[in-house]
Amino acid sequence: GAGVSQSPSNKVTEKGKDVELRCDPISGHTALYWYRQSLGQGLEFLIYFQGNSAPDKSGLPSDRFSAERTGGSVSTLTIQRTQQEDSAVYLCASSRTLGEQYFGPGTRLTVT
Amino acid sequence: DAKTTQPTSMDCAEGRAANLPCNHSTISGNEYVYWYRQIHSQGPQYIIHGLKNNETNEMASLIITEDRKSSTLILPHATLRDTAVYYCIVRVNNAGNMLTFGGGTRLMVKP
Repeated sequence: GAGVSQSPSNKVTEKGKDVELRCDPISGHTALYWYRQSLGQGLEFLIYFQGNSAPDKSGLPSDRFSAERTGGSVSTLTIQRTQQEDSAVYLCASSRTLGEQYFGPGTRLTVT
Repeated sequence: DAKTTQPTSMDCAEGRAANLPCNHSTISGNEYVYWYRQIHSQGPQYIIHGLKNNETNEMASLIITEDRKSSTLILPHATLRDTAVYYCIVRVNNAGNMLTFGGGTRLMVKP
């Protein structure tokens, strides 16, 4: 079946611009996660959605970052007034209520 | 989540079994052993997980010692496409428990 998809695959933006990153989770998965990974680094958790519950936003690095999940499916991560340190690969993962997380291919964000 | 220790890198000949060890001596009774891998420029890929019994799927086998303080991931017939960084993680099996990757083992499969 279809896996997690993300778009765009690559995004180059100028410092100060806003960007939106999209994630389509696996159908039927109730949990959705956003992570980011800087070059050569491990995963950094950003935000977690579970069903209709309030999201866990404890990993968001600043108030420039926000995310929403519409209809319990598609999610959008928004970064306002991008900075160069926001450059990273942004990864989305989904899972059932219990179980392993399946990752998308990621969006490579470059802020110039 | 309990800490894990893995070798930094390993080599394996193509077609041979790759045995990747992981130490997790502080694992708790309700923590599972998970393995993921990340091929260059791709998102992490789930491989296998287990609690205390050995597990096998189409990708790999997971051998967990009786005291659960260590485990081994086995790729029975490694191919060049198995070259990746392999991460061993111990965590409670429930949603909301985000993944944190340590350094992992960089496996190089050589022809």
